[in-house]
Amino acid sequence: DSGVTQTPKHLITATGQRVTLRCSPRSGDLSVYWYQQSLDQGLQFLIHYYNGEERAKGNILERFSAQQFPDLHSELNLSSLELGDSALYFCASTRSSGGEDNEQFFGPGTRLTVL
Amino acid sequence: AQKITQTQPGMFVQEKEAVTLDCTYDTSDQSYGLFWYKQPSSGEMIFLIYQGSYDEQNATEGRYSLNFQKARKSANLVISASQLGDSAMYFCAMRERELGSSNTGKLIFGQGTTLQVKP
Repeated sequence: DSGVTQTPKHLITATGQRVTLRCSPRSGDLSVYWYQQSLDQGLQFLIHYYNGEERAKGNILERFSAQQFPDLHSELNLSSLELGDSALYFCASTRSSGGEDNEQFFGPGTRLTVL
Repeated sequence: AQKITQTQPGMFVQEKEAVTLDCTYDTSDQSYGLFWYKQPSSGEMIFLIYQGSYDEQNATEGRYSLNFQKARKSANLVISASQLGDSAMYFCAMRERELGSSNTGKLIFGQGTTLQVKP
């Protein structure tokens, strides 16, 4: 158990809908990273928050947004869902803002299926 | 742009033997970090081992060791005494730094290598 929690574990929804994925980092970790794993794109970085502030953005679609709350949990919002958004979404956490950490622990992931 | 390459889509190894999973990277940074993760069929990403670019010794964690050759830009994972439970997908990743951007520890990943351990 990495100490990073994600809910829900599975999510099945229809095209055009909106969903929210939740992540709680390990105790003491201030950074949350979101990644998407799909068959055609592999594992891709989406967005990074540190202590409530956005730090870096990757290949995140405009239909997707995220935030990190004062209690440090993070939510990834996916809207106007398309079939191609079906993927495994991971969050990961670290203690620092970036280059100092020698580990990055992942949550169990949320498997999103868009029908 | 920084890039990670894993050239072995699939590998087989006999139980109790050692196996090396290849990873090469491309970066112009002097300071970077390299990570290996294991993803079993259940889907979770399990952190295995880390190597910093300034670390003089190869990293080791139990049966895992990282063969770090900086001049060749390679960071191969060696698993000794393979076990059936080692059957999984393995990902090499690099902590990426963008010039002029805020400090971030975001990772870029290779395509992965599927390892199957035969009894």
